Amino acid sequence: DAKTTQPTSMDCAEGRAANLPCNHSTISGNEYVYWYRQIHSQGPQYIIHGLKNNETNEMASLIITEDRKSSTLILPHATLRDTAVYYCIAGAGSYQLTFGKGTKLSVIP
Amino acid sequence: GAVVSQHPSWVICKSGTSVKIECRSLDFQATTMFWYRQFPKQSLMLMATSNEGSKATYEQGVEKDKFLINHASLTLSTLTVTSAHPEDSSFYICSALRGMVRTDTQYFGPGTRLTVL
Repeated sequence: DAKTTQPTSMDCAEGRAANLPCNHSTISGNEYVYWYRQIHSQGPQYIIHGLKNNETNEMASLIITEDRKSSTLILPHATLRDTAVYYCIAGAGSYQLTFGKGTKLSVIP
Repeated sequence: GAVVSQHPSWVICKSGTSVKIECRSLDFQATTMFWYRQFPKQSLMLMATSNEGSKATYEQGVEKDKFLINHASLTLSTLTVTSAHPEDSSFYICSALRGMVRTDTQYFGPGTRLTVL
């Protein structure tokens, strides 16, 4: 699986969009980008995944650059309940996910 | 949809005893389930992959005789920590793969916090 790099932490004001970057410069053509989040003392929650096209669901949007070397997860209107550690994972499938340290997002009132 | 449950949510046991943790996919069938362990302030580490009806595949460094995994049905996998010791205290999380192909999505349970005294 390709290695991903994420900022250690980020702050976002409540109600504003949270943009979480992820670098995956060694991603190969058949590898997807997955995003999960983990709220304190809970299991990870699936957010979204994509291959090369931008994706949107009820939780978030995923913007993947044309060269696929980086992506951004966008939470359009962050709430306090979005405070969590966000993991960006690149892999050929969801079959085996390798979790890194992720980005700790703090939503500030 | 895609709900995974775990039971118990927390357990405290004495050193030397065995503890069983159940993982269930509530609204889908899961041929493949995974078990992770997470120590405080660390990320999730995959322990093993279990496929229904066959033996689990353990990650390097995980003792298969200590962490017994049974995936007897398409909705249930169990992890038994045998002869637990304080160093086994951790947050154990299961997940289930919804679908039959590797690109299908993995859904996680809420986790089980094990404390061994």
